Amino acid sequence: AQTVTQSQPEMSVQEAETVTLSCTYDTSESDYYLFWYKQPPSRQMILVIRQEAYKQQNATENRFSVNFQKAAKSFSLKISDSQLGDAAMYFCAYRSAGYGGATNKLIFGTGTLLAVQP
Amino acid sequence: EPEVTQTPSHQVTQMGQEVILRCVPISNHLYFYWYRQILGQKVEFLVSFYNNEISEKSEIFDDQFSVERPDGSNFTLKIRSTKLEDSAMYFCASSEQWGSGNTIYFGEGSWLTVV
Repeated sequence: AQTVTQSQPEMSVQEAETVTLSCTYDTSESDYYLFWYKQPPSRQMILVIRQEAYKQQNATENRFSVNFQKAAKSFSLKISDSQLGDAAMYFCAYRSAGYGGATNKLIFGTGTLLAVQP
Repeated sequence: EPEVTQTPSHQVTQMGQEVILRCVPISNHLYFYWYRQILGQKVEFLVSFYNNEISEKSEIFDDQFSVERPDGSNFTLKIRSTKLEDSAMYFCASSEQWGSGNTIYFGEGSWLTVV
């Protein structure tokens, strides 16, 4: 079974600085997708960024980028120029490619609570 | 931007009562999901639904739970005989197609408190 591990329960960053959130996962599959979701105090789950395992190029969405290391099964999220609105719980998630009736569900890590200091 | 909507946003119920949580998925989506998040814990998959039947369910999703798409727009989660440990945030989600190439979009959640 696949697992997702986030080893940093809490992180803090100064406004305008850069922070990196760590995520590792375990799987025997070769094709899958990885996601970072943001959960602000409102508790809505908001997709931040996604990465296809078959792509070597790291995904980027504005100030958010990932460092995807497939061999190491590592998927970290970098937030540049941090803003107060970035303060939230961040969840890393794994999803199988879904071939041959494989599971379609998201498997989440335990989350990292990010505080942004003004 | 289209979004998944959920009602109620918060419900308090007596232990042993039945609860129905409602969701309106994004209109052109075909796959629907329920996830649960107990306070302070990670988000857990409950069930996925396609073509009017359950396509996958977790160990959590036992006979106490059921899902239904009663019409062309709503997707509901019914919890029979609620227990204290059912207190959690319940997220509805939807995706356009099967396969991880399709993003799963979440609603804002329904916070259930069982007393």
